[in-house]
Amino acid sequence: SQTIHQWPATLVQPVGSPLSLECTVEGTSNPNLYWYRQAAGRGLQLLFYSVGIGQISSEVPQNLSASRPQDRQFILSSKKLLLSDSGFYLCAWSEGTTDTQYFGPGTRLTVL
Amino acid sequence: AQKVTQAQTEISVVEKEDVTLDCVYETRDTTYYLFWYKQPPSGELVFLIRRNSFDEQNEISGRYSWNFQKSTSSFNFTITASQVVDSAVYFCADSNYQLIWGAGTKLIIKP
Repeated sequence: SQTIHQWPATLVQPVGSPLSLECTVEGTSNPNLYWYRQAAGRGLQLLFYSVGIGQISSEVPQNLSASRPQDRQFILSSKKLLLSDSGFYLCAWSEGTTDTQYFGPGTRLTVL
Repeated sequence: AQKVTQAQTEISVVEKEDVTLDCVYETRDTTYYLFWYKQPPSGELVFLIRRNSFDEQNEISGRYSWNFQKSTSSFNFTITASQVVDSAVYFCADSNYQLIWGAGTKLIIKP
């Protein structure tokens, strides 16, 4: 069966520091991968998605970036965090674009 | 642009009551897919159901049921005999290229 991992679970970072969040999927090949952000008490905002290694599509212009160095690894990064980057970051995978997305446990990021 | 509307921001009911969460979508495509997810306080999004646009039969899974009405572009979710563990934020979503998410409905079940 497929599983999706995210780490760390929680993170507190100062403004201006770098960020690296990692997501890995097991039990499937060539999945679509997604990064979402959820501000406190708000809905889901799609940040990036990837349909293959090295293929990244950005949905929202910001100081975040994503990379997919391996088939089942998706990384969210920032060179300098802003206060507005605080939120709950969720990684998801699906087999195809219209298929069900399955989510990881999420990372709660607080930027101080 | 496509839009999914969950007009109920928050619903509060007493345990054992039935509750319906509304979802209205705006897709213009012939083929599309509708989803419901549950987000408990722990934060992880849990998949509940996926329906395609050609299957208008209502779905029942235990205490959960879904009513798909193409004529009104709605895909409503009913919990029968609610329980405290049903307390969560519920999201409806529509997909043809990417998932279009509703804003979510926070459901509070009081003991």
